[in-house]
Amino acid sequence: QVQLQESGPGLVKPSQTLSLTCTVSGGSISSGDYYWSWIRQPPGKGLEWIGYIYYSGSTYYNPSLKSRVTISVDTSKNQFSLKLSSVTAADTAVYYCARDPYGDYEGWFDPWGQGTLVTVSS
Amino acid sequence: DIQMTQSPSSLSASVGDRVTITCQASQDISNYLNWYQQKPGKAPKLLIYDASNLETGVPSRFSGSGSGTDFTFTISSLQPEDIATYYCQQYDNLPRTFGQGTKVEIK
Repeated sequence: QVQLQESGPGLVKPSQTLSLTCTVSGGSISSGDYYWSWIRQPPGKGLEWIGYIYYSGSTYYNPSLKSRVTISVDTSKNQFSLKLSSVTAADTAVYYCARDPYGDYEGWFDPWGQGTLVTVSS
Repeated sequence: DIQMTQSPSSLSASVGDRVTITCQASQDISNYLNWYQQKPGKAPKLLIYDASNLETGVPSRFSGSGSGTDFTFTISSLQPEDIATYYCQQYDNLPRTFGQGTKVEIK
């Protein structure tokens, strides 16, 4: 059974870069059957999809964040990572990683990591 | 981007009640619509994919229907453990987008 686990600093200063890693266990990130997504949720608010990566390194970023986002993959470690630059308080959120089937007619998130709260504050 | 509008934003119902949530897409998304349940402090959980397909292990009191722009999520008999926020999500177009959520409470 595939499990995902986010890790990274819980506090980031304004204007700095937020960096998180998602470790995948119970399955290979290189299987080719899935995209690997990042999703965030500000406290008390709804869900926003940040983007995804395929094991080959191809990515798609939400245009609302595209100028500040980089998602990368390390197949040797079975991990993928998120970097969000020039953060402000508006980037304070719980960040989730999730698996997303690869295919034109599939696009759901399952499973999800437990989430990690990142607070942007000086 | 495709906008997803859920209603109501919150509801209160009694145990055993039938609960219905609607989700409207800003354009035709065929049946490319999923539903999630999020309990407080937890990650969302996939309940229904492709508008009406129940994820394995999800109780049969949950169901979904619809196509095009209008979708419905139903809990046939509300249970105390169903207290959560429910989200719809479309995948017809990138970026993937979610509804704003419906919070379900017990009366």
